Amino acid sequence: NAGVTQTPKFRILKIGQSMTLQCTQDMNHNYMYWYRQDPGMGLKLIYYSVGAGITDKGEVPNGYNVSRSTTEDFPLRLELAAPSQTSVYFCASTTAGGPYEQYFGPGTRLTVT
Amino acid sequence: KNQVEQSPQSLIILEGKNCTLQCNYTVSPFSNLRWYKQDTGRGPVSLTIMTFSENTKSNGRYTATLDADTKQSSLHITASQLSDSASYICVVSARGGATNKLIFGTGTLLAVQP
Repeated sequence: NAGVTQTPKFRILKIGQSMTLQCTQDMNHNYMYWYRQDPGMGLKLIYYSVGAGITDKGEVPNGYNVSRSTTEDFPLRLELAAPSQTSVYFCASTTAGGPYEQYFGPGTRLTVT
Repeated sequence: KNQVEQSPQSLIILEGKNCTLQCNYTVSPFSNLRWYKQDTGRGPVSLTIMTFSENTKSNGRYTATLDADTKQSSLHITASQLSDSASYICVVSARGGATNKLIFGTGTLLAVQP
């Protein structure tokens, strides 16, 4: 199993550009998450999904969109990038919403200038 | 307000020594508490998950404790190795909703020196 994979690893965007961060998991997990990690801060939940076709907002959803057309994929879309979106983005997945381990991807480091 | 606070912020120890990291939380209603290890440039990796009824759990040289009455947890690392150098993140899950909300601490940065 590859686990949770994310692409790209690094990206530099200009203000106003758009991009999609890709996330794929091969563990047949129903639950998937997107977090951002800013320096000196704890991870913050952006969006989550409890299954294909179902998504919901987390703590910091503004400026982002997601879709979940398959169990495996959970892309995160940034529209009109802003410097405040400079961060490291992590995708995670788990079996269900209880005390189950969340498996994290390696992260995407995004800089908006 | 749901919060997770960790101490110390950073710690330097010599290889082979033990250390203990602390986590205090104000999260309600409590579901479970997790400790993650995050190597530089990588995603967090789960070390332990404890529910309300568990007060200790081990994973190799890592032992986590939980006192749900005082809302405190600790992570004890025994016989540290250079590979233990990482950020250790305490995460508390609040019960409720379609997915239990995870509240992340800011982490303790551990450096193990030879």
